[in-house]
Amino acid sequence: GENVEQHPSTLSVQEGDSAVIKCTYSDSASNYFPWYKQELGKRPQLIIDIRSNVGEKKDQRIAVTLNKTAKHFSLHITETQPEDSAVYFCAASRNNNDMRFGAGTRLTVKP
Amino acid sequence: ETGVTQTPRHLVMGMTNKKSLKCEQHLGHNAMYWYKQSAKKPLELMFVYSLEERVENNSVPSRFSPECPNSSHLFLHLHTLQPEDSALYLCASSSLGNEQFFGPGTRLTVL
Repeated sequence: GENVEQHPSTLSVQEGDSAVIKCTYSDSASNYFPWYKQELGKRPQLIIDIRSNVGEKKDQRIAVTLNKTAKHFSLHITETQPEDSAVYFCAASRNNNDMRFGAGTRLTVKP
Repeated sequence: ETGVTQTPRHLVMGMTNKKSLKCEQHLGHNAMYWYKQSAKKPLELMFVYSLEERVENNSVPSRFSPECPNSSHLFLHLHTLQPEDSALYLCASSSLGNEQFFGPGTRLTVL
């Protein structure tokens, strides 16, 4: 089955700096890669996703890149703000019924 | 955020108790999921129901028993749990192949 690894486990940046979180996956048939943000005490919520027919996707300060050959994908947050502080999870699946999540990255943005 | 609801929000039970967790989605989705979230494994897929049929059971112990009577409701029946089963249990729903929406979770404590 799919195995997703996520790094780093914790990340601390200064407000205004960029943050990058990286994930690798094992199943070359995986074709859907969502990123979820979970604030303390709240449910995970999708912030961006990418499918295997696209190499990059951007939504304001958030972007995701996908390298199918190397089987890795990354989340980029620019101009970070304190409200970006949360745990971020990457995930990979073939058909959404076998979603496997990374271990999460705790991002802290210091004002 | 009322698309996916879960009850109860908190549950404390003894190891000999029988209890049930309930999830309800109002989004017209045709797939529902149970996840376990703990410090050891942040987001662990337990069960998947697609079009009301179970499609995956990730080697979950038989003391957890899911039930999906229709596309809007999902239950997780609990019986003779162990203290290590204490965790946040999250329900999610989706249209097949698309974003999963999570409920707020049930915080379970097994004494």
